[in-house]
Amino acid sequence: EVQLVESGGGLVQPGGSLRLSCAASGFTFSSHWMSWVRRAPGKGLEWVANIKQDGSDKYYVDSVKGRFTISRDNPKNSLYLQMNSLRAEDTAVYYCARDNDGFDIWGQGTMVTVSS
Amino acid sequence: QLVLTQSPSASASLGASVKLTCTLSSGHSYYAIAWHQQQPEKAPRFLMRVYSDGSHNKGDGIPDRFSGFSSGAERYLSISSLQSEDEADYYCQVWGGDMMFGGGTRLTVL
Repeated sequence: EVQLVESGGGLVQPGGSLRLSCAASGFTFSSHWMSWVRRAPGKGLEWVANIKQDGSDKYYVDSVKGRFTISRDNPKNSLYLQMNSLRAEDTAVYYCARDNDGFDIWGQGTMVTVSS
Repeated sequence: QLVLTQSPSASASLGASVKLTCTLSSGHSYYAIAWHQQQPEKAPRFLMRVYSDGSHNKGDGIPDRFSGFSSGAERYLSISSLQSEDEADYYCQVWGGDMMFGGGTRLTVL
C-alpha cells in the first residue's frame, strides 16, 4: 500500500524547535521530489518546502526561509522538516506529500501548536 | 506573478451537479493544475490533473462523477450526482517552480 505517515508534532513554545518526520512506503521514495504542506486553523493549504530526489535542491516559502530545513534519508525512506524559531503563525497541521506533477499522495498530517 | 483564484464558497443540492473554477492569472493560461479535496478533519486527497488542452487524468479510485476540463485560463472541476460526502474544501494547485495553491472553495451540499 502506498502510504505516507507523519510524526513529531506537538506543543512548543514560541522560539522553540521541533522536528517532523514522514515515513514513506509502497513506492520508490528516492525517485520523487517530496514536499511539506501545512494548513493553519481557518486558513487554506500552504506549500512549505520541497526537496529533490537526491536532496541536492531545496526550496522554501518565504515565510519559513532561514528557520525551517527540509531533508531526506533515502535508504530509510524518510522525509524530515526541522523547524526552528517557531512562531504562533506556524501553528498548523503539517502534511508530507509526494510531488508527481501535483501532490498525488498525502500523509494524514501531524499537528504543530506554537503557544506559551 | 502567478495567482490562482477560486471562489470562497459554492453550494448545490444533493444529486445535482456543480462546477468549481480555478482561474490562472494573466500570462499563465498554459499552466496545468491539480485538484485536491479535503473533507472535514481529513487529509487532502488528490483528485486529478487538468491540462490547458482540456485533458485530465484522475487519481486512483476517483469516481467517474468527478471530471475536469479547461477553457482559456480557467480550469474546472465538475462533480455530478452530488453526495453528502462531497461536502469539502477543494483546492487547485500548480507545481514546479511556482508551487502554490489557490485559496480553496468550500462546497456545501444542500
